[in-house]
Amino acid sequence: KAGVTQTPRYLIKTRGQQVTLSCSPISGHRSVSWYQQTPGQGLQFLFEYFSETQRNKGNFPGRFSGRQFSNSRSEMNVSTLELGDSALYLCASSFEPYQETQYFGPGTRLLVL
Amino acid sequence: QQQVKQSPQSLIVQKGGISIINCAYENTAFDYFPWYQQFPGKGPALLIAIRPDVSEKKEGRFTISFNKSAKQFSLHIMDSQPGDSATYFCAASSGDKLIFGTGTRLQVFP
Repeated sequence: KAGVTQTPRYLIKTRGQQVTLSCSPISGHRSVSWYQQTPGQGLQFLFEYFSETQRNKGNFPGRFSGRQFSNSRSEMNVSTLELGDSALYLCASSFEPYQETQYFGPGTRLLVL
Repeated sequence: QQQVKQSPQSLIVQKGGISIINCAYENTAFDYFPWYQQFPGKGPALLIAIRPDVSEKKEGRFTISFNKSAKQFSLHIMDSQPGDSATYFCAASSGDKLIFGTGTRLQVFP
């Protein structure tokens, strides 16, 4: 069974631009969670989607948004990029809403210049 | 109260030694404590997890020790190997999301 895939793997943007990242969960998994990973803050929860609905949201500004499609694929969008948004963005999937065992993708490394 | 504090930030251990990583939490509603292992270029992968009704869980060379009264838990890697060199994250959950520690970079030298 294929694992969680994320595209693109690497991205370079400039301040003020917006970016869209994509996550395809493991086949059959319907829950997708997004995390931001930085050296200083570690892994921080962004939001979780299940059945195309946002179930849970972390403490991030409204510039960070997401959505989930009927095939469970998810996208996250960051608008008006700031230098501090440079990070590794990870998505994780599970079969049911928030299951303790989550399977992570390899991440998208975003660099904001 | 939602934080999980992890130490040390980095750890250097000789092959065959014991690696110990510690975590502390405040929220007594947490009821699930996993450890994740992350290699460069990869996403975190679940290594081992424990619930507060047991004080220790062992899987191979990896052991979690849990002290409910002190609100602390730790990962012990016995007979550490160079292949264990990775970043380790502790986490805690109360049923709706994972709260992660800041990570420990472990380097095991031959």
